[in-house]
Amino acid sequence: DGGITQSPKYLFRKEGQNVTLSCEQNLNHDAMYWYRQDPGQGLRLIYYSQIVNDFQKGDIAEGYSVSREKKESFPLTVTSAQKNPTAFYLCASSIGSRGRNTEAFFGQGTRLTVV
Amino acid sequence: AQSVAQPEDQVNVAEGNPLTVKCTYSVSGNPYLFWYVQYPNRGLQFLLKYITGDNLVKGSYGFEAEFNKSQTSFHLKKPSALVSDSALYFCAVSLRGNYQLIWGAGTKLIIKP
Repeated sequence: DGGITQSPKYLFRKEGQNVTLSCEQNLNHDAMYWYRQDPGQGLRLIYYSQIVNDFQKGDIAEGYSVSREKKESFPLTVTSAQKNPTAFYLCASSIGSRGRNTEAFFGQGTRLTVV
Repeated sequence: AQSVAQPEDQVNVAEGNPLTVKCTYSVSGNPYLFWYVQYPNRGLQFLLKYITGDNLVKGSYGFEAEFNKSQTSFHLKKPSALVSDSALYFCAVSLRGNYQLIWGAGTKLIIKP
């Protein structure tokens, strides 16, 4: 089945640790995105990538890092510099350059909790 | 500043009644408009979109939305609500040629039997 897969579903981080959230898609989409969702709030964009080996900061990039070494993969690292990382993280993809402004497809999310 | 507003945090509807979830936007130019639904602890699912053409757009699960350019609105509607429609609904807007989506804060829809 085609889709976008996030892992793990639940993740616990100790203070001062870096953790990496995985996002893989087999939809052959060019564009990929990372969002953060907090209770009662909409989605806030962390980073996005329009093409391999290129990515752009979103609205809340501080304390996060990404890479896009392969078209199908867009991992997000939550660093110790992110002071309030407990949240629900969503990865998404869209066709991108071959069809701009098409709908995004979302993974099932990773819930990160600082312990 | 460009923004999307969903003025109701929560909408309560009796099963079988029509439902409306409101969305207004403030962006420059001609936007693309989207509705997504989110069930608890899950990702978002695409419902429908307006790109151009007919102002009434039909989407998944019997939902539809009406684009009103003069009122800058894109309200989500369904003629007869189901209990299974209970979820969190998000309106989003993108500008033509721009990858980024501008999101509303979401509206919790509760359908009571």
